[in-house]
Amino acid sequence: DTEVTQTPKHLVMGMTNKKSLKCEQHMGHRAMYWYKQKAKKPPELMFVYSYEKLSINESVPSRFSPECPNSSLLNLHLHALQPEDSALYLCASSLPATRTGELFFGEGSRLTVL
Amino acid sequence: GENVEQHPSTLSVQEGDSAVIKCTYSDSASNYFPWYKQELGKRPQLIIDIRSNVGEKKDQRIAVTLNKTAKHFSLHITETQPEDSAVYFCAASARGSTLGRLYFGRGTQLTVWP
Repeated sequence: DTEVTQTPKHLVMGMTNKKSLKCEQHMGHRAMYWYKQKAKKPPELMFVYSYEKLSINESVPSRFSPECPNSSLLNLHLHALQPEDSALYLCASSLPATRTGELFFGEGSRLTVL
Repeated sequence: GENVEQHPSTLSVQEGDSAVIKCTYSDSASNYFPWYKQELGKRPQLIIDIRSNVGEKKDQRIAVTLNKTAKHFSLHITETQPEDSAVYFCAASARGSTLGRLYFGRGTQLTVWP
């Protein structure tokens, strides 16, 4: 299994809603990432988990709250988002930091904030 | 941190012609250079990568060259086809950087006209 699976594929939410994005991989990768991507722009790193511990938070607003329940799962909890948060949210995984290597991206969750 | 510059931002070629996209990086510690292709509405997908101990790598119609001294690397696509039309991102990852973190270029929109 070489897939990173993200759900939902599409999400529309109001600014007062609470929702979650989910990501799952079964490749034994121990580094997992959340990226935000606007149209025709490069992915922007948000969070990195290594061995289920948060290692990088790229000064992301607290309305985004990541969670890594186990080595295969990664969640992104959303609350009180703004319309400018509308974007494609990509989950990725890779081998641990002991070597550089390929990022495996999920298909993404396209988020629209009304 | 690492800074990756990518040129051109848009590139139009006739089917069958070659396309070249160039990137420069700033951190001499970078040792891994992947190229991602992203079709409209889809995830970024790795198409080829190169490590700093190699000067060139080929995979069918795609090749990447790396000049460590000048800190630049290039993607070459020969015999282009309409299905090569996509946004291409270069990236760099620094040896010893946290979690093999990737720094992306700003992307090149490649259009191949039939």
